[in-house]
Amino acid sequence: GQNIDQPTEMTATEGAIVQINCTYQTSGFNGLFWYQQHAGEAPTFLSYNVLDGLEEKGRFSSFLSRSKGYSYLLLKELQMKDSASYLCAVRGGSGGYNKLIFGAGTRLAVHP
Amino acid sequence: DADVTQTPRNRITKTGKRIMLECSQTKGHDRMYWYRQDPGLGLRLIYYSFDVKDINKGEISDGYSVSRQAQAKFSLSLESAIPNQTALYFCATSDSALAGVYYNEQFFGPGTRLTVL
Repeated sequence: GQNIDQPTEMTATEGAIVQINCTYQTSGFNGLFWYQQHAGEAPTFLSYNVLDGLEEKGRFSSFLSRSKGYSYLLLKELQMKDSASYLCAVRGGSGGYNKLIFGAGTRLAVHP
Repeated sequence: DADVTQTPRNRITKTGKRIMLECSQTKGHDRMYWYRQDPGLGLRLIYYSFDVKDINKGEISDGYSVSRQAQAKFSLSLESAIPNQTALYFCATSDSALAGVYYNEQFFGPGTRLTVL
């Protein structure tokens, strides 16, 4: 079956670092995405990993281990505007087929 | 102007009514998707279309139908709405021309909040 697990909720302090974990079991793997979604708004693309290792984009980094079925999103220097849900999604299939399987999302609350 | 638009943004309807949600995009993408989002369940794929003549069921297509009127327009219909179809619905697009490009992400519309009483 297809399964993507991530914590339901997390809290952190402004200026701190937080790591959001995602584990997956899917029938195919063609990349892993992280999306940010503010309440009532559309998901927006944050990062992508298809090879093992760390991808860094400013305050955000994402890590992937394909052998472990594991990824994390690291947010540094947290700001209040980072309070949002973070969605882990695996692209399954092959041949460029862009079907995404989403986890339920992690709701992050950043406090002063 | 937004690249992916959805209408209506909010809709309240009654059980048994037929309702259509519309999605339009100006991104020039050929692939379009409909998802629903429920608390604690994440986004689930209802239907997807790779071009005007190619429409496929997703994981939860029962009770829904779609129409791809043009490359830029993809509509989702609920033939006879029921309360458990109350959810937030998102349309998304992607570009097959970028299929070999590194990430080729999906772009989401603003969502339609549907309530079925």
